[in-house]
Amino acid sequence: QQPVQSPQAVILREGEDAVINCSSSKALYSVHWYRQKHGEAPVFLMILLKGGEQKGHEKISASFNEKKQQSSLYLTASQLSYSGTYFCGSQEYGNKLVFGAGTILRVKS
Amino acid sequence: DAGVTQSPTHLIKTRGQQVTLRCSPISGHKSVSWYQQVLGQGPQFIFQYYEKEERGRGNFPDRFSARQFPNYSSELNVNALLLGDSALYLCASSDGAGVGEKLFFGSGTQLSVL
Repeated sequence: QQPVQSPQAVILREGEDAVINCSSSKALYSVHWYRQKHGEAPVFLMILLKGGEQKGHEKISASFNEKKQQSSLYLTASQLSYSGTYFCGSQEYGNKLVFGAGTILRVKS
Repeated sequence: DAGVTQSPTHLIKTRGQQVTLRCSPISGHKSVSWYQQVLGQGPQFIFQYYEKEERGRGNFPDRFSARQFPNYSSELNVNALLLGDSALYLCASSDGAGVGEKLFFGSGTQLSVL
């Protein structure tokens, strides 16, 4: 079953922060985050594993709440290069990666 | 090192025809997955192959088939094309097939069915 992402779209000005949420109705082993720019392939951002710690680097980080089967992606002090569509992928143990419908992020100068 | 390569980049077919899409994984990667991405939606899982064996299959009709070769490259075949098969087909490779494997995507093949 496809994870649900929110919001569907968000517009920011450079320097503003954003949070993208991803939730699943099933018990997850891992959550993946990818970013896709128009006309390009999805690019890996990070993986959060069950029982793992919050991951990230500098201005992009993520968390995974195992009890709620929810993950959030945090983008701080956004840059123009952050624009794109963000997908979360949920993975049940031993199962395929299922992607959400995506969140369109647009950063304006 | 080269990334995941897919060919062709664009393809136009008519209804009822058959199509073969090709994918070469990153050197050393033994797993290949195929995804279909319709405009405005997330990638939908079609197949995963690891060490030449099918490890997973998504909710796609039997018109879709795939295989993986000894060099770990892969082909996706779609028979009896329908208009609804028009989409971007993405190939992703990973080192293993276990949980938590990072996927590296190719640029995709844009298939248009007329």
